[in-house]
Amino acid sequence: DQQVKQNSPSLSVQEGRISILNCDYTNSMFDYFLWYKKYPAEGPTFLISISSIKDKNEDGRFTVFLNKSAKHLSLHIVPSQPGDSAVYFCAASEMNRDDKIIFGKGTRLHILP
Amino acid sequence: DADVTQTPRNRITKTGKRIMLECSQTKGHDRMYWYRQDPGLGLQLIYYSFDVKDINKGEISDGYSVSRQAQAKFSLSLESAIPNQTALYFCATSEPIRDEQFFGPGTRLTVL
Repeated sequence: DQQVKQNSPSLSVQEGRISILNCDYTNSMFDYFLWYKKYPAEGPTFLISISSIKDKNEDGRFTVFLNKSAKHLSLHIVPSQPGDSAVYFCAASEMNRDDKIIFGKGTRLHILP
Repeated sequence: DADVTQTPRNRITKTGKRIMLECSQTKGHDRMYWYRQDPGLGLQLIYYSFDVKDINKGEISDGYSVSRQAQAKFSLSLESAIPNQTALYFCATSEPIRDEQFFGPGTRLTVL
């Protein structure tokens, strides 16, 4: 039973355009959400997070939007750059549990020249 | 120097062999985790430890064991490796506040 779903295994976006990566979750108790980026042969690295008390968090070119009623979050990258080509993992956790993070399966983003 | 290191980085072994994967961190974090990544399956939690005396099973602990030798060291063992344990293994650390996890570079394990 997947609690965090990334339904698009891959996404291709033209350089300079906006990349939108989507994530859905089923557990309404999740209250903290994270995005990780992973390059080949490296471990995932933290990108951006959002608490359930917010609906938007922005950090430079990266913005995460949270829609609690739809149990949906998205990561926007504007403008997309070649170095953004990587696998992006959505993750979620529940504050009153033991802080375990549940990861989605990932979306591979290809930035096209 | 990397904050979270894993050894070995690559390992090929045979079915039935005992394997130990090691993780060390210099971040001073109390919390450490072992994950497994299979193609198309994201990261699955194997075991986690919130301090030296605390060990907890994750989603897929069967066939694995761990040892938290010190705050900085957390090792993962496969007592009798089997081919479906072929995967990428990641160690991670975090602080006991709601914050991100820091991952090691991964160990690619192949069980023949």
